[in-house]
Amino acid sequence: DAKTTQPTSMDCAEGRAANLPCNHSTISGNEYVYWYRQIHSQGPQYIIHGLKNNETNEMASLIITEDRKSSTLILPHATLRDTAVYYCIVRANTGNQFYFGTGTSLTVIP
Amino acid sequence: GAGVSQSPSNKVTEKGKDVELRCDPISGHTALYWYRQSLGQGLEFLIYFQGNSAPDKSGLPSDRFSAERTGGSVSTLTIQRTQQEDSAVYLCASSSAAGDGYTFGSGTRLTVV
Repeated sequence: DAKTTQPTSMDCAEGRAANLPCNHSTISGNEYVYWYRQIHSQGPQYIIHGLKNNETNEMASLIITEDRKSSTLILPHATLRDTAVYYCIVRANTGNQFYFGTGTSLTVIP
Repeated sequence: GAGVSQSPSNKVTEKGKDVELRCDPISGHTALYWYRQSLGQGLEFLIYFQGNSAPDKSGLPSDRFSAERTGGSVSTLTIQRTQQEDSAVYLCASSSAAGDGYTFGSGTRLTVV
C-alpha cells in the first residue's frame, strides 16, 4: 500500500539541518502524514505527525505543502545519533495499521 | 508499564518446533500490533488487535501463525512448526487508540536453525 515516495538515502553533516522529503500526491483529505525512524537494531520510533499545518516538537519539524502533496521532515541540528532509516507514512487517523515502506536511510557524517 | 515489553529478546529454535512470543503493551493502550522485519528488509504487518479482538489478520503469512490477546493487555504470537524463513525480528507496538502513533517494543529476534 505504497502511498509515499522517499529518496533511498541521504547524507547530512553533523550540526547541520537534515531535510528529508516525502511525496504523497494521492493523499486524501482525512489522511495525516506520520514520520517514524528506526535506528539500527531498535524498534521504530514515532517522531511527529500532521494534517495540513506545520508541526514542531522537541525532535523535529514537519512542513506540509499547501496542496498537501508533499512534506519535509526537518531535524534542525543533526547529530550522529540521528543516523537511521526515516519512514514517511500517510494514514487516516481512524485507520488501523501503518504501512511502512522502505524509507530514507539518513547518514549523519562527522 | 513505561514502555512496550517483549520477551524473549532472542530465541533460537530448531526447525519444526513451536515458539511463543510475548508482548506486554503500555498500560491502558487498547490497540496492539505485530510486525516482523527480516534482515535488511522493511516492516511487514502481521496482525492488529483492538481490545481482545483482531479486526485485521490479513498479514499473517500462513496458518502456522496465530495470535491472541487476553484481558485487553498481553498478547502472544505463536508460530507452529517453524521454518527457516520465519527467522526475523518480531516487533510489537501499542497505541492508546487506533488512530494514534505507535510505541514499539525492542522486538524478539527469532532464529530458526
